[in-house]
Amino acid sequence: DQQVKQNSPSLSVQEGRISILNCDYTNSMFDYFLWYKKYPAEGPTFLISISSIKDKNEDGRFTVFLNKSAKHLSLHIVPSQPGDSAVYFCAASDRTSYDKVIFGPGTSLSVIP
Amino acid sequence: DADVTQTPRNRITKTGKRIMLECSQTKGHDRMYWYRQDPGLGLRLIYYSFDVKDINKGEISDGYSVSRQAQAKFSLSLESAIPNQTALYFCATSDAGSWGSNYGYTFGSGTRLTVV
Repeated sequence: DQQVKQNSPSLSVQEGRISILNCDYTNSMFDYFLWYKKYPAEGPTFLISISSIKDKNEDGRFTVFLNKSAKHLSLHIVPSQPGDSAVYFCAASDRTSYDKVIFGPGTSLSVIP
Repeated sequence: DADVTQTPRNRITKTGKRIMLECSQTKGHDRMYWYRQDPGLGLRLIYYSFDVKDINKGEISDGYSVSRQAQAKFSLSLESAIPNQTALYFCATSDAGSWGSNYGYTFGSGTRLTVV
């Protein structure tokens, strides 16, 4: 059973609008969450992270929100740009094994010019 | 040069053959990982190593073995390849001190393996 779920395999958004990518997790021990971005023929690259002691982390156009009670996090991209078109992986780890990260299945984002 | 280099980039092999995927890094990181990516399943951990003398199984290690030849080199072997090992394989590195500094993993570009 997947511990990290991304229930939307794909998402299309108009350029300039907000993209919201969702992620749910089942393991209450997870306390560190990351988002990775992957372009075709490249490896995933780190995008943004959040610790469970926070409920929001912002980096430029990218903001991650964490709702621990709902075991849910989301990545907001504002404004969306065509170069944001990629697969986005949600990932999580826990304090007992920070270096064993569990990844979700990914959401493919298409930003339409 | 890339920080994490995987070779080969693409490989087609026959069922039953032995194959090795190689990974080398110039990051100076002590921790290295092998993941495989399958559609709808994300990235799943095969093996990881925290230093040259430390090898650990991940969630899907059956059918695979690894060797940490040096701090900078970590290879993945399929002793007898089977078609359901067809996937995209990624090597990654991390620094023990980087967690909490938002660095996470550094991934290679991947090896696309097809077993026919």
